[in-house]
Amino acid sequence: SQTIHQWPATLVQPVGSPLSLECTVEGTSNPNLYWYRQAAGRGLQLLFYSVGIGQISSEVPQNLSASRPQDRQFILSSKKLLLSDSGFYLCAWETSGVTDTQYFGPGTRLTVL
Amino acid sequence: SQQGEEDPQALSIQEGENATMNCSYKTSINNLQWYRQNSGRGLVHLILIRSNEREKHSGRLRVTLDTSKKSSSLLITASRAADTASYFCATDEGTALIFGKGTTLSVSS
Repeated sequence: SQTIHQWPATLVQPVGSPLSLECTVEGTSNPNLYWYRQAAGRGLQLLFYSVGIGQISSEVPQNLSASRPQDRQFILSSKKLLLSDSGFYLCAWETSGVTDTQYFGPGTRLTVL
Repeated sequence: SQQGEEDPQALSIQEGENATMNCSYKTSINNLQWYRQNSGRGLVHLILIRSNEREKHSGRLRVTLDTSKKSSSLLITASRAADTASYFCATDEGTALIFGKGTTLSVSS
């Protein structure tokens, strides 16, 4: 069966510090991968998606970047965090080639102080 | 871009009552999905309905889709306290799903 992991679960970082959030998927090959951000009490905002290694599409201009160094690894990064980067970050995967069911990780709660 | 919009934003009911949430969207779709999110957790897929389907059931869930009105509804029958969560609709837009802002359902016992 497929599983998706995210870490860390919670993170408190000062403004201006770097960020690295990791997402890994097990039990499937060549998945589409997604990073979302959810502000408090709000819906999901799609940040990045990837259909393959090294292929990243950005949905919104921002202070963040994403990378996919391996087939089942998706990393969200920032060189310098802003207060507005605080939120709940969710990684998701879906079967390649089909815009269908997405399976979400447990999320990372990021607080920038 | 925001595709789906849920209505109402918040809903409070008693256990045993039915809960109905609505979703409206703007452009043509291939399918529409509903997800649930418990507080502080990831989203869980509930049900997918394709554009050529009008109604779909899964346990206590019933989803309808009206492509002429670009709207969908999620009905939870005989609600339980454990149904307390936020519910999101999502529509496909190219490679990505676009989620609405969600309906927060509170079921009290």
